[in-house]
Amino acid sequence: DAGVIQSPRHEVTEMGQEVTLRCKPISGHDYLFWYRQTMMRGLELLIYFNNNVPIDDSGMPEDRFSAKMPNASFSTLKIQPSEPRDSAVYFCASSPTGGLRFSEQYFGPGTRLTVT
Amino acid sequence: GEDVEQSLFLSVREGDSSVINCTYTDSSSTYLYWYKQEPGAGLQLLTYIFSNMDMKQDQRLTVLLNKKDKHLSLRIADTQTGDSAIYFCAENPSQKLVFGTGTRLLVSP
Repeated sequence: DAGVIQSPRHEVTEMGQEVTLRCKPISGHDYLFWYRQTMMRGLELLIYFNNNVPIDDSGMPEDRFSAKMPNASFSTLKIQPSEPRDSAVYFCASSPTGGLRFSEQYFGPGTRLTVT
Repeated sequence: GEDVEQSLFLSVREGDSSVINCTYTDSSSTYLYWYKQEPGAGLQLLTYIFSNMDMKQDQRLTVLLNKKDKHLSLRIADTQTGDSAIYFCAENPSQKLVFGTGTRLLVSP
């Protein structure tokens, strides 16, 4: 398996523009997580899905952030409009359902977002 | 509440042992995890321990768990320069993981 795939790997955009980050989870994994990592805040969970349904979006910072999972193999995280304080590395992770190690998560390589 | 704490920085010499410590708050976690993050990469699962175990050894890695004190540690024997990375511990009170702040390990030759 190729692992969790994220695109783009790097994104530079101007303040006010819409940004869309993409993620393909590992095939067969039923859970998908979006994280944000910054020096100041560390690793923050933004939202997670189970079987394409959002379960907990309490970490989404503002209404400018939205996430979707239209099918089992694809998810997007959108920021509209973007602001400089959104600059961070965004990670997607997936995990399988069931079994004893149900919470073992596999991370993608991340998207480094810079908003100028 | 959920809170996982780690020291921010550890520096060792190549060949020495490294010990990274972590304290957590949720005693209902089934597993506790150690993840490694190399520069420019995502987090990678390093090892884990089941909550009813005290110790787990995996090659150069030894995980110790003190449930009474809610203390977890990761020992890396014969530390190499390639072990330089950020190490995160994590607890799982539910399907989601709660990560610590990460400990940056610097290994000097």
